[in-house]
Amino acid sequence: QVQLVQSGSELKKPGASVKVSCKTSAYTFTHYAMNWVRQAPGQGLEWVGWINTNTGNPTYAQGFTGRFVLSLDTSVSTAYLQISSLEAEDTAVYYCARITAVAYAFDIWGQGTMVTVSS
Amino acid sequence: QSALTQPPSASGSPGQSVTISCTGTSSDVGNYNYVSWYQQHPGKAPKLIIYEVRKRPSGVPDRFSGSKSGNTASLTVSGLQAEDEADYYCSSYGGSNNLLFGGGTKLTVL
Repeated sequence: QVQLVQSGSELKKPGASVKVSCKTSAYTFTHYAMNWVRQAPGQGLEWVGWINTNTGNPTYAQGFTGRFVLSLDTSVSTAYLQISSLEAEDTAVYYCARITAVAYAFDIWGQGTMVTVSS
Repeated sequence: QSALTQPPSASGSPGQSVTISCTGTSSDVGNYNYVSWYQQHPGKAPKLIIYEVRKRPSGVPDRFSGSKSGNTASLTVSGLQAEDEADYYCSSYGGSNNLLFGGGTKLTVL
């Protein structure tokens, strides 16, 4: 069945970088845009942005420009989220989520990757 | 763009109905029929339960229904069951390739 499988938990020091992967299976990767969503501990969902899997063109939500970079490797049907200059406030679960083109709905989600930033 | 506004909590007894609101603006909820709702149980990834305001994905019980009036969308859960206790989030397309989430509503089944 359609799956998004994310990389494992990360523990990083402030100022470091992290790259989270989201490997897809059982569907045509380029037929759906890929989104990233952040959920800080005990908090709600925040849309980070999405990437067009045909063109590789990313769109970032306000507050997620500069240190957040979305990328792809279409040869292995995988999307990536890289965060640089990590801050304690970046501590959160990060989800990848496939979006339906016509309904703007996140129909399939990854299991989430916990990124902890601590000295 | 600001997040959509949801009540922080809602509750109901088994068998009852409960409605959760999601208020946006004329630039997002009021301008597009691209409102979706997600259910999230503790420690789990969100699950899509309503899309395009009122459509249900395959496998979602018809106890879940959605509607919209003006800048406010609503999710109604009828015939409450214990397993409906979860956090619920709305989302809307906001134009210019942007998406918004609501702050989330914790639904308690009494």
